[in-house]
Amino acid sequence: GENVEQHPSTLSVQEGDSAVIKCTYSDSASNYFPWYKQELGKRPQLIIDIRSNVGEKKDQRIAVTLNKTAKHFSLHITETQPEDSAVYFCAAIYEIQGAQKLVFGQGTRLTINP
Amino acid sequence: NAGVMQNPRHLVRRRGQEARLRCSPMKGHSHVYWYRQLPEEGLKFMVYLQKENIIDESGMPKERFSAEFPKEGPSILRIQQVVRGDSAAYFCASSRPYNEQFFGPGTRLTVL
Repeated sequence: GENVEQHPSTLSVQEGDSAVIKCTYSDSASNYFPWYKQELGKRPQLIIDIRSNVGEKKDQRIAVTLNKTAKHFSLHITETQPEDSAVYFCAAIYEIQGAQKLVFGQGTRLTINP
Repeated sequence: NAGVMQNPRHLVRRRGQEARLRCSPMKGHSHVYWYRQLPEEGLKFMVYLQKENIIDESGMPKERFSAEFPKEGPSILRIQQVVRGDSAAYFCASSRPYNEQFFGPGTRLTVL
């Protein structure tokens, strides 16, 4: 079935340290994995995504890694800053009868402590 | 290029009334998705539509909820006879085929 598991549900790190959020998915046919950041009371915003033809993608302090064999992918934030505090959602695309559905993980509430 | 538009941003209804939520996708996007987010919870897929077609409604409650995306005009999510449990943020997203989804600002529905 369609399932995306995300861990941890909450994460607290000191400013300047790194944060890692992990997700696993169940359908080996999934080929697109976006990450969204949602600040309180706001819409989810795409921050980085990765397709299955690459194993890693980096954008400044944010990187995502993908292990297709193990069916898991991770978000890495380095040199964390207070503005990184938010809820982060991973997602995986599932294709059903030619249509696409984005299935989200449960979310990780990241708190950066000054 | 304007982003995904949703209105109203806030909607208050009494139990038993109808709620209509509107979503205008980004220009050039033909795919619309609706999600529900309960307080302190994640995003739950409800329905996926293309123009004049419902592609996947597996996340929609069987009763009282319906969605459409007509040839002209915005996509509409309709909730009939609302109950307190329907109180949530409803997000719409749009995309081109096989591309990332962009979210609207959401409609926060409160049922009294």
